[in-house]
Amino acid sequence: AQSVTQLGSHVSVSEGALVLLRCNYSSSVPPYLFWYVQYPNQGLQLLLKYTSAATLVKGINGFEAEFKKSETSFHLTKPSAHMSDAAEYFCAVRAFSGSARQLTFGSGTQLTVLP
Amino acid sequence: EAGVAQSPRYKIIEKRQSVAFWCNPISGHATLYWYQQILGQGPKLLIQFQNNGVVDDSQLPKDRFSAERLKGVDSTLKIQPAKLEDSAVYLCASSLIRDRVQETQYFGPGTRLLVL
Repeated sequence: AQSVTQLGSHVSVSEGALVLLRCNYSSSVPPYLFWYVQYPNQGLQLLLKYTSAATLVKGINGFEAEFKKSETSFHLTKPSAHMSDAAEYFCAVRAFSGSARQLTFGSGTQLTVLP
Repeated sequence: EAGVAQSPRYKIIEKRQSVAFWCNPISGHATLYWYQQILGQGPKLLIQFQNNGVVDDSQLPKDRFSAERLKGVDSTLKIQPAKLEDSAVYLCASSLIRDRVQETQYFGPGTRLLVL
């Protein structure tokens, strides 16, 4: 079985401050990990993904995430928040093993950026 | 390149009524997914198609939900009869290849369903 836990359903940061969104996963086989962003009334858009190559993954819009196997984490960061980053962020896990091929999402973190 | 199209964008119905959602995936994408996203939760997979065949429908409530993908292109998801707990956003996604676990799924804007 696989699962994702996103710590903090709501995160607020000031514009220009560091963004840190936390994601921990559980998987019985080596996972593939994804971060998606969802803007209001829109579908999900892929920010970045980890596919067992480099542990530090760079994505779009200045976001990056680091895969830490020892901590079973895949936290999303951005050095300087912009107002346009306000959205809901979802971490997801997928494993290459039978039914675990399903993309399993966390419950999401709503990011608010304060002026 | 056009994205995943869904219609309608919004639907309000009364419980026990029927409703259908339509999805047109990105051209050339063999795999199509339907997800249910309840308010405050992440999307949950309902059904996955590879071309016009069902790959995974283990989480589809088959007593009331049905889906088809005739001709392996667009797809329809139906609920009959609807219950209050079906109120959610129904997301359609597509990907180019099924068996690559790292394959990116591209999502449509969703259909927001409210059951009264």
